[in-house]
Amino acid sequence: NAGVTQTPKFQVLKTGQSMTLQCAQDMNHNSMYWYRQDPGMGLRLIYYSASEGTTDKGEVPNGYNVSRLNKREFSLRLESAAPSQTSVYFCASSGGTGGEKLFFGSGTQLSVL
Amino acid sequence: GEDVEQSLFLSVREGDSSVINCTYTDSSSTYLYWYKQEPGAGLQLLTYIFSNMDMKQDQRLTVLLNKKDKHLSLRIADTQTGDSAIYFCAEKKNTGFQKLVFGTGTRLLVSP
Repeated sequence: NAGVTQTPKFQVLKTGQSMTLQCAQDMNHNSMYWYRQDPGMGLRLIYYSASEGTTDKGEVPNGYNVSRLNKREFSLRLESAAPSQTSVYFCASSGGTGGEKLFFGSGTQLSVL
Repeated sequence: GEDVEQSLFLSVREGDSSVINCTYTDSSSTYLYWYKQEPGAGLQLLTYIFSNMDMKQDQRLTVLLNKKDKHLSLRIADTQTGDSAIYFCAEKKNTGFQKLVFGTGTRLLVSP
C-alpha cells in the first residue's frame, strides 16, 4: 500500500551542486505534481504533468527541471542549487474523475548551504 | 497560495469545537478541499465539497461553504489532541488544467 514514494527524505547540498528528487506512484494516476512548502507560504506548485509525456510550469518553476519518465515516475532536478531552494518538497499524484483528489508523498527536506 | 487565505494559528482545549476559516477568490472554482498535515508527513485529504453544496458533514467534521462571500470553514467537533496539525484549504480552479491552489495553512494546537 505504498501510494506516493519520494526519495531521499533528507538532503544537504552546497550552493551550485545538482541533485534529482525522485517520485513514484503505484495508483495508476495520470497526473503528477511537485510542490514546495515554505513557512507562512503554504504549498506552491513548481511543475506538474497532466499526463504521461507532458509537463508544464507551475507557480515557481525557476531553477528547476522535471522529467515524466513514465506513468509512474516524475522527477525534479535542481541543476545548480541555491540557498533560496531550501524547502520541503512534496510530490503528489491524482487520477480521479470529478474532484481532483491529490495524494502526497511524505516529503523531502532539502537544505542548501 | 496567492489566492487562498487562512489565519495562521488556532488554539483550543480538548473537547471544544474548532473552526478553521478560509477565503478564496475564484468564484468559478468547482471543488474546495481540506487537507491535514501532521508533523513530518505529507498532506492527507480530510474532506472536500462541491461548489453547488452549502454544507457537508462527515463524522466530527462539518464543512460550510458560502459562495457569495467566497468563504469556506471546517468545524471539528469534540477536538482531540490527535487533531493537532496544520490544516490547508485548497480550491480547484476552473481554468485550463484544473490544478489545486493551496492556502497558507492554519496550525491547530489542542491542549489537554
